Amino acid sequence: EVQLVESGGVLVQPGGSLRLSCTASGFIFSVYGMTWVRQAPGKGLEWISYISSRGLTIYYADSVKGRFTISRDNAADSLYLQMNTLRDDDTAVYYCARSESERLAGDHWGQGTLVTVSS
Amino acid sequence: SIELTQPPSVSVSPGQTAKITCSGDAVSDQFTYWYQQKPGQAPLLVMYKDKERPAGISERFSGSSSGTTATLTISGVLAEDEADYYCQSADTSSIVFGGGSTLTVL
Repeated sequence: EVQLVESGGVLVQPGGSLRLSCTASGFIFSVYGMTWVRQAPGKGLEWISYISSRGLTIYYADSVKGRFTISRDNAADSLYLQMNTLRDDDTAVYYCARSESERLAGDHWGQGTLVTVSS
Repeated sequence: SIELTQPPSVSVSPGQTAKITCSGDAVSDQFTYWYQQKPGQAPLLVMYKDKERPAGISERFSGSSSGTTATLTISGVLAEDEADYYCQSADTSSIVFGGGSTLTVL
């Protein structure tokens, strides 16, 4: 069974930094692209980043470009999102998802981790 | 950049057919994907590449695409289908979601 478990979400002050993790199991992590998607409270889904299976292709949404960094450790079956210079509007549930292709947000999703940016 | 437009809400009685549309220029030359999201849950992929149903998704769900509009059709709607539905497409370096449609089963 495919499982994705996010962690690292906490309350952080504006301007702060945070690293989210996503641990995968139940599939061969190293052959799949991965995506981060977020959802602000009461709002819709927003794609924020994609990384290919070996990390050679990376894309970001304009809203996070230059502030967030996606990475992965295939030996540890883990995906990461380094978030810097956090703003109030980064407050959201952050989901990691397995992506069969760079055009698909996710065929399997984690349950999400809540990041709250507030002073 | 891509924009996908969905109706904010769709209402249907149990047993009827619900159609949720997704409009945008990208629909005409890229595949559309559909997700179902129930309160407090992660999104669930219910349709991929316009009309392909993932394993485990009810046959009551079907998809189509014509011109700049993609449609998710739910036949014989059940109370359990009440949820938010999001369409999704992509261009060369980004993924975009529609604003979402809330399906209400009356």
